[in-house]
Amino acid sequence: GNSVTQMEGPVTLSEEAFLTINCTYTATGYPSLFWYVQYPGEGLQLLLKATKADDKGSNKGFEATYRKETTSFHLEKGSVQVSDSAVYFCALSDYGGATNKLIFGTGTLLAVQP
Amino acid sequence: DAGVIQSPRHEVTEMGQEVTLRCKPISGHDYLFWYRQTMMRGLELLIYFNNNVPIDDSGMPEDRFSAKMPNASFSTLKIQPSEPRDSAVYFCASGPGTIANQPQHFGDGTRLSIL
Repeated sequence: GNSVTQMEGPVTLSEEAFLTINCTYTATGYPSLFWYVQYPGEGLQLLLKATKADDKGSNKGFEATYRKETTSFHLEKGSVQVSDSAVYFCALSDYGGATNKLIFGTGTLLAVQP
Repeated sequence: DAGVIQSPRHEVTEMGQEVTLRCKPISGHDYLFWYRQTMMRGLELLIYFNNNVPIDDSGMPEDRFSAKMPNASFSTLKIQPSEPRDSAVYFCASGPGTIANQPQHFGDGTRLSIL
């Protein structure tokens, strides 16, 4: 079945460091891919998305490119801030977006130190 | 606009008791989702509704769990009887359309502890 694998956390960085959180997926068909962010004590929020191969999603300085050849959707940011500390979830839409089921990875905790 | 509203935010109860979690989706959203989040299993979709009709309940763990959506502005997730392994954060989310085009909006969750 479809699945998402994220790198284990926690990831601890200093402010202004470069961030990469790896995400790979297994899917039949052509799923849409998402990154969600969860701040402490809150629900998940959509950070960015890509709906087809080679699309780049971007928001708030974060970027991720849908790579079909490597089945990856790695999250990157050039310079992290303390306020980026949160749990990041990679997700894909089951059945290529024809339904509303999202399959989430296990989440990666990011801690940014001043 | 108000987001997805869940109540209660925290619930502590004893094993065997009935637990009811409540959700008010964003007005105009046709889809409503219930998720469970635990350290061991991550984020799991339990059930989702479209226009108040349950579409997929394959994630509901067992018969002790039930969900209803009597109208477009209200849904409940009930656990009866509750067990310690049901302790988790339960999220409700709503969305206006297919996820390829429209994001799901999550509530802040209900933290449930079963003693």
